[in-house]
Amino acid sequence: AQKVTQAQTEISVVEKEDVTLDCVYETRDTTYYLFWYKQPPSGELVFLIRRNSFDEQNEISGRYSWNFQKSTSSFNFTITASQVVDSAVYFCALSEVNNQGGKLIFGQGTELSVKP
Amino acid sequence: EAGVVQSPRYKIIEKKQPVAFWCNPISGHNTLYWYRQNLGQGPELLIRYENEEAVDDSQLPKDRFSAERLKGVDSTLKIQPAELGDSAVYLCASSLDRPPETQYFGPGTRLLVL
Repeated sequence: AQKVTQAQTEISVVEKEDVTLDCVYETRDTTYYLFWYKQPPSGELVFLIRRNSFDEQNEISGRYSWNFQKSTSSFNFTITASQVVDSAVYFCALSEVNNQGGKLIFGQGTELSVKP
Repeated sequence: EAGVVQSPRYKIIEKKQPVAFWCNPISGHNTLYWYRQNLGQGPELLIRYENEEAVDDSQLPKDRFSAERLKGVDSTLKIQPAELGDSAVYLCASSLDRPPETQYFGPGTRLLVL
């Protein structure tokens, strides 16, 4: 069965600290996609990244970076030099191509609080 | 490019009353989704449309929930009658094509049932 686990419920850091949000997934499919979304207090989920299971290359976008490791079934997200505007709930999600029509399965989310 | 539009943003009703939510997806997006997000949890899919066809409604409580996407563009989700446990945020999302295409979400409707 597919499952996404975000073990960190809440994280609090001080501005300019680096922070890593963990995501561990379970799947039996060989072809799948992983996503990260940000949900600020306004409520809208904002798409951050999509990664397919055949591309293990790490990705960097500005202060954001993602580490995908199939060997440990993890897709961790790091924010470098965090800012107050990064405060939000972050969700990791999994979509299996060959199962359940690719339905997006979300983790429980990690609430990040960045204090000035 | 305009994002996914949802209305209303907030709704407070008494139990047993009906309620409806409206969603307009991103222009050109064929696939539309309705999710429910309970407090402190990730969103859970209720129903997925590909154009006018509901292709995955396995999680929709059909005794009280209904949805439609008549012309393959905007969509309405209805609850009748509402129960206390229906209090949640109802999110609409759209994607260019079927999964695993990236889904883009609207701001959601926060429903409170008293």
